[in-house]
Amino acid sequence: EVQLVESGGGLVQPGRSLRLSCTASRFTFDDYAINWFRQAPGRGLEWLGLIRTKAYGGATKYAASVKGRFTISRDDSKSIAYLQMNSLKSDDTAMYYCARDLGGNSYYGMDVWGQGTTVTVSS
Amino acid sequence: DIQLTQSPSFLSASVGDRVTITCRASQGITNFLAWYQQKPGKAPKLLIYVASTLLTGVPSRFSGSGSGTEFTLTISSLQPEDFATYYCQQLNTYPPSFGQGTKLEIK
Repeated sequence: EVQLVESGGGLVQPGRSLRLSCTASRFTFDDYAINWFRQAPGRGLEWLGLIRTKAYGGATKYAASVKGRFTISRDDSKSIAYLQMNSLKSDDTAMYYCARDLGGNSYYGMDVWGQGTTVTVSS
Repeated sequence: DIQLTQSPSFLSASVGDRVTITCRASQGITNFLAWYQQKPGKAPKLLIYVASTLLTGVPSRFSGSGSGTEFTLTISSLQPEDFATYYCQQLNTYPPSFGQGTKLEIK
């Protein structure tokens, strides 16, 4: 089964950093852009950013709410994408998801999602 | 940024009912709109992309239509497993934004 699995979430103090991982299996990871999303408790979905494939230069884009604090990277040799989160705030408390772009590097939508990992920012 | 407004935000319906959810964009997004279903504690699931294309494996009772600024998701005959929250997402312009969600509850 095609799968994405997030890991690395947990409780972190405000101002600290955390790195989330998104590990892919059973598909050719290199061929797909990976997006990151989050969902605060009881709230809707928020797109955080994406990283395109090497064929598209590995380009990244970010939401204004996290630009400059969050960085997305990928290691195609390990089939893992990362979300480095710095200067965390209480507002960053949420479930974090990674997801695969249906068309590779398209505008179609996300057809494979991880199960999510919880990040809680609190002192 | 493009704003998506879903209506209604809450919908109460019965098994077998036909329901329609609307998603309106603050500006034209051609047909780069996706619909997702999310159940409590679970990740979203893609149902429809480019406004009207059903993802493989999604039941045919789901359908989507629209272009430009107005889109609809229709469930032709509600099944018990369809009670969930539904989100639209536009992918025409960065940042890809979501509607606020429509919670579909059992009447």
